Amino acid sequence: NAGVTQTPKFRVLKTGQSMTLLCAQDMNHEYMYWYRQDPGMGLRLIHYSVGEGTTAKGEVPDGYNVSRLKKQNFLLGLESAAPSQTSVYFCASSYMGRTEAFFGQGTRLTVV
Amino acid sequence: GDSVTQMEGPVTLSEEAFLTINCTYTATGYPSLFWYVQYPGEGLQLLLKATKADDKGSNKGFEATYRKETTSFHLEKGSVQVSDSAVYFCALTLPYGGATNKLIFGTGTLLAVQP
Repeated sequence: NAGVTQTPKFRVLKTGQSMTLLCAQDMNHEYMYWYRQDPGMGLRLIHYSVGEGTTAKGEVPDGYNVSRLKKQNFLLGLESAAPSQTSVYFCASSYMGRTEAFFGQGTRLTVV
Repeated sequence: GDSVTQMEGPVTLSEEAFLTINCTYTATGYPSLFWYVQYPGEGLQLLLKATKADDKGSNKGFEATYRKETTSFHLEKGSVQVSDSAVYFCALTLPYGGATNKLIFGTGTLLAVQP
């Protein structure tokens, strides 16, 4: 049972570089989310999607873009990485908004 | 706005001690409430949930009761084990539909259980 899979698991970027984080789920969930986790701040929502072809901004969307071209995939892009984007990124999915969310294992990103 | 407040950690206990981690929320209407657990190096896993007032969620010896009168969802366990050492997150989803359905998390509470 794959559940929610994130790639890559670790990445080091230089300031100004770009990258895309991939999230894939095999549970046919409608809702998908990207969070970042920083010490002392819990999880903060970056962007989310309530279905294929839709995206919406969360609490901390600046510097990130997302796409949901296929129902099972949710991509998070950083166009020009900054040290402030050093964090652990988690993807999650849920069948509906009020049901439990399933999380990936996380991506640890360091921007130097 | 809508939010979740949980007690700051770390909480350090000896094995077999009683655990309480406090969680209170602010939300319009009747949210669903959740406790998630994050073991070192892993993603979050659902521990338990409650969807309406006075519901009790339970799993692996942990319990939490949805108290609307005090807007609380405190996590309890009667006898903790070293393997319970993890970060615990309280969370809610809002009661209205559409694009606003999303999880709102507390800041997390680190639990360290010593043998």
